[in-house]
Amino acid sequence: DQQVKQNSPSLSVQEGRISILNCDYTNSMFDYFLWYKKYPAEGPTFLISISSIKDKNEDGRFTVFLNKSAKHLSLHIVPSQPGDSAVYFCAASVIQGAQKLVFGQGTRLTINP
Amino acid sequence: DAGVIQSPRHEVTEMGQEVTLRCKPISGHNSLFWYRQTMMRGLELLIYFNNNVPIDDSGMPEDRFSAKMPNASFSTLKIQPSEPRDSAVYFCASSSGHPLGYTFGSGTRLTVV
Repeated sequence: DQQVKQNSPSLSVQEGRISILNCDYTNSMFDYFLWYKKYPAEGPTFLISISSIKDKNEDGRFTVFLNKSAKHLSLHIVPSQPGDSAVYFCAASVIQGAQKLVFGQGTRLTINP
Repeated sequence: DAGVIQSPRHEVTEMGQEVTLRCKPISGHNSLFWYRQTMMRGLELLIYFNNNVPIDDSGMPEDRFSAKMPNASFSTLKIQPSEPRDSAVYFCASSSGHPLGYTFGSGTRLTVV
């Protein structure tokens, strides 16, 4: 039972354009959401997060949007840069719970020059 | 701090052999997590420990998998006997107790032939 789903295994975007990565979740108990970025041969690293009390969080070129009613979140990267090429994982957690992170399958983003 | 340290980085073994993966968490982190990365399921949580005690091992695929945390600075994930379908990248992560505190190691790429 995949509680966090990323339905797009890959995405290709032109440099300078906007990249939009999507994530859906099924567990309504999740109240904290994160995006991780992973380069080959490295572990995932934290990128940006959002609490369920917000619907948007912005950090430089990265913005995460949360739609609780749709159980959907998205990551926007603008403008996209070649160094953004990586696998992006969406993750969810329950703050007051065990604090374990439940991850999606990942989306491989390729930024073309 | 050197971060979360995993060893070995790569492991190639024959089917039926015992495999032991090792992890040294960040000093002071009280939670440790073992994940497995596969194409189909992304980052799949296998087991996690809190203060060296196993809390949830429901993600461990079979009895062939076992994990221990004898002290706060060391954990092992053992597969005995190993099978080709166990081939994957295994990540260890440690946390200070908040989802933002997660830090991943660089992973162990396991190949069972």
